[in-house]
Amino acid sequence: EAQVTQNPRYLITVTGKKLTVTCSQNMNHEYMSWYRQDPGLGLRQIYYSMNVEVTDKGDVPEGYKVSRKEKRNFPLILESPSPNQTSLYFCASNWGGPYNEQFFGPGTRLTVL
Amino acid sequence: DQQVKQNSPSLSVQEGRISILNCDYTNSMFDYFLWYKKYPAEGPTFLISISSIKDKNEDGRFTVFLNKSAKHLSLHIVPSQPGDSAVYFCAATARGGADGLTFGKGTHLIIQP
Repeated sequence: EAQVTQNPRYLITVTGKKLTVTCSQNMNHEYMSWYRQDPGLGLRQIYYSMNVEVTDKGDVPEGYKVSRKEKRNFPLILESPSPNQTSLYFCASNWGGPYNEQFFGPGTRLTVL
Repeated sequence: DQQVKQNSPSLSVQEGRISILNCDYTNSMFDYFLWYKKYPAEGPTFLISISSIKDKNEDGRFTVFLNKSAKHLSLHIVPSQPGDSAVYFCAATARGGADGLTFGKGTHLIIQP
């Protein structure tokens, strides 16, 4: 089954404790991205990657890091999480062509205390 | 500056009637527009899209209209069904999707029996 998976689905952590949210896709997509969804703000892009070893900042990259060592994986790293990073996070992928119909993962709800 | 605007946070429509969701954009470089549907606790799923060279695209009960001069697009759902109750996001992209998607804040559509 073609899908984007994220782990964990739910996470409660404390300020400053490094964490990683994993994202994996089995569709051989070149393009992957991370979004956060906040009430009243919709979906905002954090980082995206057009291919292996190619990453770029989205609209709200501060406080996040990403890596793209393999085509299928695109982890999101919070080196020192803060309460304003409490949010619902979505990973997405697509083949990177002009018709950018991204496939989204199920979401990771992160709470930073 | 919000480049994609959905000015109605919520919309209530009776079952069987037409639902019209609106979206405005400010970036004249946008050349492809998409609508996503999102249920609670799930990632967004692609619904329908339209290229800037067209003014209408239809897929079953869903039709998207694009008015480039007004920088406005709308999603029509006819007839509306209970399963259509969800949050709908309008999104736009430019340069063949190289910069990722810019999303609106979403409209919560409620279909009443």
